[in-house]
This record gives sequence, structure tokens and C-alpha cells, in this order.
Amino acid sequence: GESVGLHLPTLSVQEGDNSIINCAYSNSASDYFIWYKQESGKGPQFIIDIRSNMDKRQGQRVTVLLNKTVKHLSLQIAATQPGDSAVYFCADQRSNAGGTSYGKLTFGQGTILTVHP
Amino acid sequence: DTEVTQTPKHLVMGMTNKKSLKCEQHMGHRAMYWYKQKAKKPPELMFVYSYEKLSINESVPSRFSPECPNSSLLNLHLHALQPEDSALYLCASSQEGRQGAYNTEAFFGQGTRLTVV
Repeated sequence: GESVGLHLPTLSVQEGDNSIINCAYSNSASDYFIWYKQESGKGPQFIIDIRSNMDKRQGQRVTVLLNKTVKHLSLQIAATQPGDSAVYFCADQRSNAGGTSYGKLTFGQGTILTVHP
Repeated sequence: DTEVTQTPKHLVMGMTNKKSLKCEQHMGHRAMYWYKQKAKKPPELMFVYSYEKLSINESVPSRFSPECPNSSLLNLHLHALQPEDSALYLCASSQEGRQGAYNTEAFFGQGTRLTVV
């Protein structure tokens, strides 16, 4: 079946370390991937995205890597800070038959990132 | 303005009550969504509106009734809910992305925490 899932449910790191959060997807038709951060009591917040015609994209302190061969996605956070503590979700989005994309996101189960001072 | 505003933030309702959740955005997005999120779970898509028309209903029970009065507003009418419907209800919006277009990420509101008693 179709799924977007995560390898590890929790990740604990020390402040200043780099964090890597992994995600696997199963649908080869997925063409757009997004990482969201969700803090307690808040809605998901967009971090970074990547399309299937790319294998790497960088933002501020974050990098997303996409390996289509093994259907794997990762989020790298450099110099992790206590404020990065949250649940991180990967999500995939597929264009519909008409070629438009309504942002119908399928979320993975989430990874809880805890950053220790 | 990159905000999606949801009201109320918290709602407690009885199983015989009728209530409505409201969502508003002024980003000019023509796609709007309702997601349901249970504790420690990822958001799950309920409905998608595109250009004020319902385009996706993810087999949601009829006790949930969405409405899109105009391009900025999205409502979710609730009637005869069950305790298992207690969850965080998230509204989101996005530009409708056409194939090859970028930046179709969904922006989420803070959610309405619904408790059915």
C-alpha cells in the first residue's frame, strides 16, 4: 500500500550537534515532498520542500536529501538548538490526474526530536 | 500575511450539540483543507476545497459537514459527534499548483482542540 513512514520515532541530540531525521516512502508516483515541524499545541509549520526532479535542497540550517532509487528522504538540521525540539513530519504530495496538485498531503508518523542543552 | 486563522482554539461539545469550526486566510490561496489529528498521530486529510468547490472527501462521516462560503473562509459544521471524534482539527490553505510549478506547500492554522463529551 501507499505510505510515508519514518525509521525512528524519537531522536535525542545535544545542542550544537547535527540532527538527521529519516523518512521512507512507498509510492513511486510521489513527486513533491515536504518536511513540517510541529510544536506542542501548534499546527504544522513548513520547513523545506523538494520536488522529485531534485536530489538535494538547502535552506537555513536545514538540508533535505531525496534518494528516489530507494525511496528515501532525510532532513538534516545543522547546529541543532533547543528551539528545534518538536515533532517532525515528512509528507508527500502527488499530482492528480489532471496534472494539478491540490496539496493533498500524506503524512508520515513523525519523529520526536529532543535537543538537550 | 501568511497566516491561517482558526476559531475557536478550544471547543467542548456534547453529542447532541451543533457547532461550527471556522478558518480564514487572506493569502489568495484557492485550495483549502480540513485535517484531523489525534494525539501522537500525524494529520489525516478530511476535505479539500478548490475554488470554493469540494474536490476531495476522504470518506468522512456525514456528521462532519464542510462549507466554503468564499475564497477566504472555510467552515466545518459538526453535529451529533461521538467522543472518538475528539481531536485537533487543522485547517490549511495552499496555492493550487500546476504540474511543474513550485511552492505548493500548505500553510496550517493552529487548530481547534475539540472535545466531545
